[in-house]
Amino acid sequence: QLQLQESGPGLVKPSETLSLTCAVSGDSISSSISYWGWIRQPPGKGLEWIGNILYSGTTYYNPSLKSEVTMSVDTSRNQFSLRLSSVTAADTAVYFCARGFWRGYSFWYFDLWGRGTLVTVSS
Amino acid sequence: DIQMTQSPSTLSASVGDTITITCRASQSVNKWLAWYQQKPGKAPNLLIFEASTLQSGVPSRFSGSGSGTEFTLTISSLQPDDFATYYCQQYHSYSPLTFGGGTKVEIK
Repeated sequence: QLQLQESGPGLVKPSETLSLTCAVSGDSISSSISYWGWIRQPPGKGLEWIGNILYSGTTYYNPSLKSEVTMSVDTSRNQFSLRLSSVTAADTAVYFCARGFWRGYSFWYFDLWGRGTLVTVSS
Repeated sequence: DIQMTQSPSTLSASVGDTITITCRASQSVNKWLAWYQQKPGKAPNLLIFEASTLQSGVPSRFSGSGSGTEFTLTISSLQPDDFATYYCQQYHSYSPLTFGGGTKVEIK
């Protein structure tokens, strides 16, 4: 059974870099139908897509965050990561990792999610 | 960006009611629309993809319809476990993928 688990610091200082990792268990990250994604949710607000990455390293970012976001994948460890630079208080959110499922046409919906991790940006 | 607008933002209902949530896209997304349920403190859970296909394990009281720019999620015979927030998401365009603002279904 495929599971995802986020990890990383819960507190980041303004202007620094937020770094999170998502460990995938129960299946290989090297699947051509799985586009691994990050989605965030500020407290009390809605969902915002950050980006997706394929096992090959091909990335797809939200244009509104593109200049600050870097995603990477480590197939040997079956995990993928998110780096968000120059954070501000507006980046305080629950960060979810999820599997973007590709059925061979169009793009991805998210069929499996991690539990999420709260990251607070504060000095 | 494709904007996704959900209505209503809050819906009050009773157990046993049938409810409908609407999601409108600012341009056509064909049938590439998903619906999620989210409970407080939990991750979203996929209910429906391709506008009307029920995800495995999701009760049949959930149904979706629509194409192009207008979509609906219907929950028949609302159960206590269904009080939650529901989001739509378009995946016609990845630049960016976008979610609706959410509809909170609360107990009347």
